[in-house]
Amino acid sequence: AQKVTQAQTEISVVEKEDVTLDCVYETRDTTYYLFWYKQPPSGELVFLIRRNSFDEQNEISGRYSWNFQKSTSSFNFTITASQVVDSAVYFCALSEAGEAAGNKLTFGGGTRVLVKP
Amino acid sequence: DTAVSQTPKYLVTQMGNDKSIKCEQNLGHDTMYWYKQDSKKFLKIMFSYNNKELIINETVPNRFSPKSPDKAHLNLHINSLELGDSAVYFCASSQDSAGLSDEQFFGPGTRLTVL
Repeated sequence: AQKVTQAQTEISVVEKEDVTLDCVYETRDTTYYLFWYKQPPSGELVFLIRRNSFDEQNEISGRYSWNFQKSTSSFNFTITASQVVDSAVYFCALSEAGEAAGNKLTFGGGTRVLVKP
Repeated sequence: DTAVSQTPKYLVTQMGNDKSIKCEQNLGHDTMYWYKQDSKKFLKIMFSYNNKELIINETVPNRFSPKSPDKAHLNLHINSLELGDSAVYFCASSQDSAGLSDEQFFGPGTRLTVL
């Protein structure tokens, strides 16, 4: 069975600090997909990134960057120079490939990030 | 234009009642889902449908019955509501060609409160 663990339940930083969110996953599949979603205080779920298990290149998008390491089953997320608008709950999720898996997302418990001015 | 919409946004009802939540997507996606988010923010899949066919039923009580009249709609009907059903329910959709697990687009959520 697949599992996603986000060990940090809450992180508090001061604006402009960097913050790294940890995500560790478990799956028996060799082909799978990893995601990060953001849930701001308004409640909607906002897609941030999708990465397949064969692509271990790190990715940078503006102030966001992701570090995928298959050897440690981790897909960590860093916000550089945090801003108050980054305050949200961030979810890491895993989906196994193949039609039988039904494309369901298994979510981690989420990490609440609070950025103080 | 709203991609995935849900109605109502808030639903307050008494224990024992039956209620429905509607979901519509205008993205032309083949797959739709229902997720439940509890008070501790934990998100869990309930159902997924592909082209109106049930693909996943994640051991959800029989009181929950999804209905997909067409590819663009996936409604959730709940019978005999219980206190523990209080949660935020999210509808989502994705394209998912050949099981490639595409990005899922989420609706705004429906906050259900059972009194």
